[in-house]
Amino acid sequence: EPEVTQTPSHQVTQMGQEVILRCVPISNHLYFYWYRQILGQKVEFLVSFYNNEISEKSEIFDDQFSVERPDGSNFTLKIRSTKLEDSAMYFCASRGGETLLYEQYFGPGTRLTVT
Amino acid sequence: GENVEQHPSTLSVQEGDSAVIKCTYSDSASNYFPWYKQELGKRPQLIIDIRSNVGEKKDQRIAVTLNKTAKHFSLHITETQPEDSAVYFCAASKADTGTASKLTFGTGTRLQVTL
Repeated sequence: EPEVTQTPSHQVTQMGQEVILRCVPISNHLYFYWYRQILGQKVEFLVSFYNNEISEKSEIFDDQFSVERPDGSNFTLKIRSTKLEDSAMYFCASRGGETLLYEQYFGPGTRLTVT
Repeated sequence: GENVEQHPSTLSVQEGDSAVIKCTYSDSASNYFPWYKQELGKRPQLIIDIRSNVGEKKDQRIAVTLNKTAKHFSLHITETQPEDSAVYFCAASKADTGTASKLTFGTGTRLQVTL
């Protein structure tokens, strides 16, 4: 069964550094998402992406964040200047484009630790 | 925006007993309600979902009910087993084909099934 994959599984960075989190969505999916989960808390929406542009973003997704689909398979989240409060698990998700298919499939996550 | 409340935050049941987790949502336009199971350090896994045109859905030991008027939905797990132990999240979405609809998650319920 196809799965969403993410790399790296764990990223440690110093405050102020840039990080890029990578995701490979399921191949025929058309909708892509980034969520984050601070340890012990709920999953929070960051941004959605469709047709090569951002569809919606949350208040968390400020100017320090950006997303890109540089080729036909990867979907990346960049944090330009990391802060301590960016430490969290970041999940990528994707969803198919067929009519009435609403299910979002999550990747295994990247644990980001900002020191 | 949408707000999803989830109760209880923790639930301990004996093996073989039933477990019920309840969620309420605020946006009457939400029409898709998935439930995710998350084991420690793992990705959220979709276990069942329901759409607003259906009042109940069942899949083996798992069932979900939806009351659109009251804006609440519930997860029912019967004959619980130790492997059901995990954190369960409800979510709500204004899903539609052609829009990258985000999921708004509840705060999670930690279910522990004891022997």
